[in-house]
Amino acid sequence: KQEVTQIPAALSVPEGENLVLNCSFTDSAIYNLQWFRQDPGKGLTSLLLIQSSQREQTSGRLNASLDKSSGRSTLYIAASQPGDSATYLCAVMDSNYQLIWGAGTKLIIKP
Amino acid sequence: ETGVTQTPRHLVMGMTNKKSLKCEQHLGHNAMYWYKQSAKKPLELMFVYSLEERVENNSVPSRFSPECPNSSHLFLHLHTLQPEDSALYLCASSQERWGYGRGQETQYFGPGTRLLVL
Repeated sequence: KQEVTQIPAALSVPEGENLVLNCSFTDSAIYNLQWFRQDPGKGLTSLLLIQSSQREQTSGRLNASLDKSSGRSTLYIAASQPGDSATYLCAVMDSNYQLIWGAGTKLIIKP
Repeated sequence: ETGVTQTPRHLVMGMTNKKSLKCEQHLGHNAMYWYKQSAKKPLELMFVYSLEERVENNSVPSRFSPECPNSSHLFLHLHTLQPEDSALYLCASSQERWGYGRGQETQYFGPGTRLLVL
């Protein structure tokens, strides 16, 4: 059974720092991996989607990597800003086309 | 905004009440989903509809009853809920149901309904 883990559950860093969020999954048989952002009182917004054949995706200050063999993905945020404060969720699509979600990392960027 | 709206945004109900959550998408998508998000837990998929037909029901208790009258609207009817059902209920849509599109489709989420059962 596929399980997705995000560590740490919460992270607080000063503005301007580069940071890495981690996501791990137990079964490497996935179709894709997605990173989402959730702001308080709002729904989820898709940030990046990495297909199983890809190693990374980039969007602005965000870079997501995927290493299927080790069951890991990282979301790299460059030059963090207070507006980046949110909960970041990782989800993998397994071999049954089911989205399996992590519990998220709550990120706080201190001005 | 994502093009997916949910009403109400907040709901407080007693265990004997009957209420309904509404979701509407303005994206022309063919698939819609209900999720439950409890504090510090992963999202739980509840129901999936594709072209108004329910295709998945992930062992959800019968006190939750979905309805999809057309491809743009999705309802979740609630009755005799329990306090442990208190959570954020999220609706999402995608162009096609997972695995039936050109690539694995991105889902677009509504803002959610925060439900408290007393």
